[in-house]
Amino acid sequence: AQSVTQLGSHVSVSEGALVLLRCNYSSSVPPYLFWYVQYPNQGLQLLLKYTTGATLVKGINGFEAEFKKSETSFHLTKPSAHMSDAAEYFCAVSPYNFNKFYFGSGTKLNVKP
Amino acid sequence: NAGVTQTPKFRVLKTGQSMTLLCAQDMNHEYMYWYRQDPGMGLRLIHYSVGEGTTAKGEVPDGYNVSRLKKQNFLLGLESAAPSQTSVYFCASSYGTASGNTIYFGEGSWLTVV
Repeated sequence: AQSVTQLGSHVSVSEGALVLLRCNYSSSVPPYLFWYVQYPNQGLQLLLKYTTGATLVKGINGFEAEFKKSETSFHLTKPSAHMSDAAEYFCAVSPYNFNKFYFGSGTKLNVKP
Repeated sequence: NAGVTQTPKFRVLKTGQSMTLLCAQDMNHEYMYWYRQDPGMGLRLIHYSVGEGTTAKGEVPDGYNVSRLKKQNFLLGLESAAPSQTSVYFCASSYGTASGNTIYFGEGSWLTVV
């Protein structure tokens, strides 16, 4: 069975600082990997995804994530946080050939002025 | 540009009442899902469907039923609501091909059971 672990349910950074949100997965075969963002009282929106090819994936709003097979990780980063980045972020995995998605418990990002 | 639409957006139920949440997607997706979101627990899959006329149980199916009579619609039913079913419910859909499909979400339905 798949599992997704997001370290830190709350992360707080200052505006302009580096954002690092951690995600690790457990799977015998590398799955497809996703990051979603949820703004208050809204549904989830796709930030970026990794399927195949380049392990560094760029997404919307300046976010990027790197797939590291040896570490079974897919951490999300942004060089410089903006106030509008304050939201909850979810890491998700989907096994090959199987349209089931497993979500982490989420990380709430707070950006301080 | 509707995408995934859920109705109703808010509902308050009394314990023991029944209700149905409706999800509609206009992207011709094969797969549809119902998740619930609770604080600190992320999203948990209730039921899903891999095509019209098919449904399957997810992680937390007890107390819920679903139907997929039309490809574009996926209904979630609560036969006898319980306070433990107070949650935010999200419908989602995706293509039925194995290529790292993106899952698209509706905006959520807030349900309170008193």
